[in-house]
Amino acid sequence: GENVEQHPSTLSVQEGDSAVIKCTYSDSASNYFPWYKQELGKGPQLIIDIRSNVGEKKDQRIAVTLNKTAKHFSLHITETQPEDSAVYFCAATDGNNRLAFGKGNQVVVIP
Amino acid sequence: EPEVTQTPSHQVTQMGQEVILRCVPISNHLYFYWYRQILGQKVEFLVSFYNNEISEKSEIFDDQFSVERPDGSNFTLKIRSTKLEDSAMYFCASSTGVDTQYFGPGTRLTVL
Repeated sequence: GENVEQHPSTLSVQEGDSAVIKCTYSDSASNYFPWYKQELGKGPQLIIDIRSNVGEKKDQRIAVTLNKTAKHFSLHITETQPEDSAVYFCAATDGNNRLAFGKGNQVVVIP
Repeated sequence: EPEVTQTPSHQVTQMGQEVILRCVPISNHLYFYWYRQILGQKVEFLVSFYNNEISEKSEIFDDQFSVERPDGSNFTLKIRSTKLEDSAMYFCASSTGVDTQYFGPGTRLTVL
């Protein structure tokens, strides 16, 4: 089955700087890659997703890039703010409804 | 904005007891899921449900687990005889199609 790895496990950034989280996946058949943000005591919230027919997608301060050849995808957060502090999960699926998640990345934005 | 809701937020049970975790998916969604997250580990897929039947299940979802949509709004996960290793956060999710899944806040299950 699909195996998703996520790096780094913890990332600290100064407020206003950019944060980048990288994920790799193993199944070349995977075609949908969502990113979730999880705040303390809450469930994962979808923040952006990308499909395999697209190389990049942007939504305000958040962007995701996908490299199908290398089987990796990345989340970019620009102009980070304290409210961006959370755990971020990447995931992948080949369309069989089963999301395979990375282990999560704790992002800490230092004011 | 519509949300997936889950009850209870925290369930404590004795080993060997049955538990039922409840979810109310987003109303126009057709696909329903359960995932779990053991402390410090990845979120793991358990089962997906569509058209009143299981469409996919993982190796974790053994005979101790069952799912049901008893009415038009609820979606439940039952664990018949809980084990210590069932302690985890259980997340329900729903979607309109086969990809974008929206998650509930989770139920923390503690088995003593």
